[in-house]
Amino acid sequence: DQQVKQNSPSLSVQEGRISILNCDYTNSMFDYFLWYKKYPAEGPTFLISISSIKDKNEDGRFTVFLNKSAKHLSLHIVPSQPGDSAVYFCAARGAGSYQLTFGKGTKLSVIP
Amino acid sequence: DTAVSQTPKYLVTQMGNDKSIKCEQNLGHDTMYWYKQDSKKFLKIMFSYNNKELIINETVPNRFSPKSPDKAHLNLHINSLELGDSAVYFCASSQGGLAGDRSYNEQFFGPGTRLTVL
Repeated sequence: DQQVKQNSPSLSVQEGRISILNCDYTNSMFDYFLWYKKYPAEGPTFLISISSIKDKNEDGRFTVFLNKSAKHLSLHIVPSQPGDSAVYFCAARGAGSYQLTFGKGTKLSVIP
Repeated sequence: DTAVSQTPKYLVTQMGNDKSIKCEQNLGHDTMYWYKQDSKKFLKIMFSYNNKELIINETVPNRFSPKSPDKAHLNLHINSLELGDSAVYFCASSQGGLAGDRSYNEQFFGPGTRLTVL
């Protein structure tokens, strides 16, 4: 049973436009959410995160939005750059747990 | 100056063999993890150690045995390898603790070890 779902396996965006990656979760005990970026043949690298007490967190071109009532979060990248082309994983952590639960990932392709 | 390193990067072996994957972190973190990324691309937690103590032990075959000789190392030993064990295995580390803060929640990943069982 997938507790973290990324329903879009891939997304293509023109350079300079906005990329929006979506993530849904089912476990209401999740209290911290993270986005990781992964290039081929490398490990995932941390991108941005948000605590469940917030609804938005911004870091440069990256913004994460959390809608707790809908159990939905999204990652906005603006403007998108070709170097952003990678697989993006959404992850969630439950209160009192060390464990991260990952989604299946969305492959973003930014077209020059 | 690698933060989390794994060896080997690639491992090709025959069914039935025993193999080990090593992981080291130089971040001074208290907690280390092993993840498996299978052919469906899911990243699933297998084990976690905090200060050399096992804290997460998901449902994996007991052919898999983690060993943490010290806080900076978490090795994964696999006995009697099977075809289904073929995957990419990632080691990760974090500062540990359960605070709702990025520094405690962010996990740093190694480059992965691609295991192929023939």
